[in-house]
Amino acid sequence: GAVVSQHPSWVICKSGTSVKIECRSLDFQATTMFWYRQFPKQSLMLMATSNEGSKATYEQGVEKDKFLINHASLTLSTLTVTSAHPEDSSFYICSATQLEHSNQPQHFGDGTRLSIL
Amino acid sequence: AQRVTQPEKLLSVFKGAPVELKCNYSYSGSPELFWYVQYSRQRLQLLLRHISRESIKGFTADLNKGETSFHLKKPFAQEEDSAMYYCALTYGNTGKLIFGQGTTLQVKP
Repeated sequence: GAVVSQHPSWVICKSGTSVKIECRSLDFQATTMFWYRQFPKQSLMLMATSNEGSKATYEQGVEKDKFLINHASLTLSTLTVTSAHPEDSSFYICSATQLEHSNQPQHFGDGTRLSIL
Repeated sequence: AQRVTQPEKLLSVFKGAPVELKCNYSYSGSPELFWYVQYSRQRLQLLLRHISRESIKGFTADLNKGETSFHLKKPFAQEEDSAMYYCALTYGNTGKLIFGQGTTLQVKP
């Protein structure tokens, strides 16, 4: 089945640094990738939709300057948390799909646990 | 606004007992409904979707538009069914998934 790889799986860094998370589709071309955020014991909240070759679409309340998303190729999308602060600590999950094929489900990565000290 | 509600945070049953995980949604149009499962230390994976009308691992779910529900059922629970289950909907051609809060299913021996 389709595999989505997310890297790193866990990152700890100091407040004020920027952190980049990668999401790769390993065996299919993902025209669309989604980024979610999950707080402990809560559901996944959609942050943004990333389409290859175009600007990401952010959900209401998500700061686009804080969470920079790039989808430069059909197999890679990146989420950069800029000037991270403790309140950005969370579990970030990406998913990938091919929206042009209506029967294609979303395939999820393993997630990245981000801890800001 | 689109919304998915899973009223139970935790459902605990004994092995062999029937299971029903509840899911209700609100959306004025025609959504597509899904159940995702996350086993311990594993990634989220698709369990089933209403348009497929198939049974996966013995689980079934029927979309009831009158009650706006998409409950997940299994007649005889197994210990390996213990996991977190998320109901989700997508709408239009956006592909965006709106998730419910999730229900932890615990199947006791």
